[in-house]
Amino acid sequence: KQEVTQIPAALSVPEGENLVLNCSFTDSAIYNLQWFRQDPGKGLTSLLLIQSSQREQTSGRLNASLDKSSGRSTLYIAASQPGDSATYLCAPAGGNTGTASKLTFGTGTRLQVTL
Amino acid sequence: DGGITQSPKYLFRKEGQNVTLSCEQNLNHDAMYWYRQDPGQGLRLIYYSQIVNDFQKGDIAEGYSVSREKKESFPLTVTSAQKNPTAFYLCDSMRYRGLCTDTQYFGPGTRLTVL
Repeated sequence: KQEVTQIPAALSVPEGENLVLNCSFTDSAIYNLQWFRQDPGKGLTSLLLIQSSQREQTSGRLNASLDKSSGRSTLYIAASQPGDSATYLCAPAGGNTGTASKLTFGTGTRLQVTL
Repeated sequence: DGGITQSPKYLFRKEGQNVTLSCEQNLNHDAMYWYRQDPGQGLRLIYYSQIVNDFQKGDIAEGYSVSREKKESFPLTVTSAQKNPTAFYLCDSMRYRGLCTDTQYFGPGTRLTVL
């Protein structure tokens, strides 16, 4: 069964800092991995999707990397802003025990960016 | 305006009642999913459907039922057999292309409380 761990569970940084969120997963036979953002009481918004054949994806100030063989992904946020405050979730898709479209979620990293 | 909607936003249930949560999408997506989110536990998959008139159990299907009569709709019924239904329920959809998976789009969620 796929298990996903996200470290740290919570993070508080001053505005302007660069930061890294970590995600590890136990089953490396995945099809892709997505990073999501969730604001309190809201649904999830997809930030980046990395296919299993890719090493990284970039969107604006966000960069996600994937090392499938070691079961790790990182989300790098450059020049953080207060509007980045949210919970960030990583979710690998598929693996040996599931279909390509089934996601397994970590418990997330709660980020607070202060002024 | 394409998107995925869930209703109601808040739902209260008395002990022993069945309730149905609505999920509708106009994105022409093939696959739809229901997740449950509890504090500190991340999202857990309840049911999913990759095609009309077909659906599969997820990791925590007991006490829930679904139907997929139309491509656009995937309602979830929380039955009286679900012992701890108080949670935040999230629906999402995806354009499914077999082993090639795409970005998943989430609805805004329904918060169910048992009185």
